[in-house]
Amino acid sequence: NAGVTQTPKFQVLKTGQSMTLQCAQDMNHNSMYWYRQDPGMGLRLIYYSASEGTTDKGEVPNGYNVSRLNKREFSLRLESAAPSQTSVYFCASTPIGAGGYTFGSGTRLTVV
Amino acid sequence: GIQVEQSPPDLILQEGANSTLRCNFSDSVNNLQWFHQNPWGQLINLFYIPSGTKQNGRLSATTVATERYSLLYISSSQTTDSGVYFCAFPRSNDYKLSFGAGTTVTVRA
Repeated sequence: NAGVTQTPKFQVLKTGQSMTLQCAQDMNHNSMYWYRQDPGMGLRLIYYSASEGTTDKGEVPNGYNVSRLNKREFSLRLESAAPSQTSVYFCASTPIGAGGYTFGSGTRLTVV
Repeated sequence: GIQVEQSPPDLILQEGANSTLRCNFSDSVNNLQWFHQNPWGQLINLFYIPSGTKQNGRLSATTVATERYSLLYISSSQTTDSGVYFCAFPRSNDYKLSFGAGTTVTVRA
């Protein structure tokens, strides 16, 4: 049972380039989330999807878009990367209910 | 919005020692959770503890929602306990979490 799988694990982008971070879960969870973690800080929510077919903004959505492709997959897109988006990105999922949060292993993104 | 404070910010322990980490809130919270981020960056859900006490091996957690705090106890610490411990809670009636700044724990052999 893989849990939450994120790809890629590492990425370096030039300013202005675009890319999509992929996330897939195999636990039949309803809700999925994208967080970012900057040095010395806790995680901040970028976007979330409460259920298949719905998405909504979190605390720091500017510069990002998301797609809930199906129940398993939730992707995060950077249309025009900026150095301020250098961070570690985590995808997570939960079943119905507040417990059971499961995180992926993270994507370390550097924008130069 | 609700403010959360974790203390201490940093903790250095000798292997075998016990410790207590604290999470204080400015208002009542529901569905509090504790996470451990290991030195390789992996986030593990330790406890979902809206109230009361739970134990999992050498770790236990207590939440007193009416007094706006939660405690995480580490007993007989091991080097594998090193990392950052976060408390987190949903700010609204859904499951989007807001995280504290974390407590960095270093356990020395």
